[in-house]
Formats: sequence, C-alpha cells, structure tokens
Amino acid sequence: SQTIHQWPATLVQPVGSPLSLECTVEGTSNPNLYWYRQAAGRGLQLLFYSVGIGQISSEVPQNLSASRPQDRQFILSSKKLLLSDSGFYLCAWSLPRGSSNQPQHFGDGTRLSIL
Amino acid sequence: GNSVTQMEGPVTLSEEAFLTINCTYTATGYPSLFWYVQYPGEGLQLLLKATKADDKGSNKGFEATYRKETTSFHLEKGSVQVSDSAVYFCALSDGGAGKSTFGDGTTLTVKP
Repeated sequence: SQTIHQWPATLVQPVGSPLSLECTVEGTSNPNLYWYRQAAGRGLQLLFYSVGIGQISSEVPQNLSASRPQDRQFILSSKKLLLSDSGFYLCAWSLPRGSSNQPQHFGDGTRLSIL
Repeated sequence: GNSVTQMEGPVTLSEEAFLTINCTYTATGYPSLFWYVQYPGEGLQLLLKATKADDKGSNKGFEATYRKETTSFHLEKGSVQVSDSAVYFCALSDGGAGKSTFGDGTTLTVKP
C-alpha cells in the first residue's frame, strides 16, 4: 500500500532564516506531487505541483520554492522566511496523469511558526 | 477557471441530528467531485467521491450525489456523532496534472 511521510511535524523558525520541508511517498511510481499551505481557519492554497522529476509548476508567486530531486521526494524551501509564511503546510500525492478521477492523498502536515 | 463554494461554517449540531453541508462548483468539462475530512492537527483524508453525473458517493454513513444540473455535491449524514467533529472540504478535479480545486472548508462541531 502507498504511504506518504512528511516532516517535521512542527517547526518554529525566526524571520529571515531558511526553510526545508521534506515529503516522501512510498508504494507508487511517478506520482503527481503537491504542496499546499493552509492558513488558520482557512482553505487550502496550492503552492506547487510536480508531474515528474525536475518538473515543478508554481501556482502562487512568493519567496518559496520546490524541488523534486527523486521520483518520490518533494522538498519545499525558502532562503529567507517571512512572518506571512506561517501556516500549516501539507504535501499530497495522486496517481499520474490520466487518472483525473483519482483523489489526492495527504501527509499529516507541518505546522510552521515564524517568530 | 474552476471554483468550489461551500456552505460557510461553523456548523454546530447535537448528536444524532441530520447534517447537510452544501457545495456547488463551477468547472469546464466534466470534473470528478470529492469530499475530504480533516481532523484537528491532521492532514486531509478522502471521505467519498463521485466521478460522473448522478453518481452517489458514500462512506461511514455520509453520502453525496453528483448533480450536474444544479452543479452541486451536497454532503449529508442522517445521524451525526461527536466523532464526526472535523473540517469538511469539497473539491473537484478535472484532469491535467490531477490538480484539485478546494472549497474553504466547513467546520462541524457535534455536541453530546
């Protein structure tokens, strides 16, 4: 069966510090991968998605970036965090292109607090 | 572009009450529709889905029917429990990179 791992679960970082959040998927090949941010009491904002290694699409201009160095690894990064980057970050995967009726499967999230 | 509009919350019900959470959508083509549930401090879990008009998705006593004529996918449950307290998200997916469009979520609190 497929599993998704996301870490760390919580993170407290000072303004201006770098960020690296990691997500890995097991049990499937060539998944679509996604990074979302959820502000407190709000819906999901899609940040990045990827349909393959090295293929990253950005949905919202910001100081974050994403990379996919391996088929089942998705990394969210920042060189300098802003206060507005605080939130709950969720990684998700879905079956590859051509499976539009398939749902997304989410990790447990990372709660990021910027001080 | 695509959009999903959910009933605004929060919704507070007594145990064993009937639940309806409204969801309407705008999409080009023929999307698949989903309901996800998020328990406190966790990620989202798929609750149910429907892939074509008139399909009914069901799981754990929850149901939703894909209504193309009204572009709706309302979530219902006949008798809610305290353990159903969570945030519920309606979403659609219309292919491409499998991107989904999510509603803003509806917070449900069930009191004993």
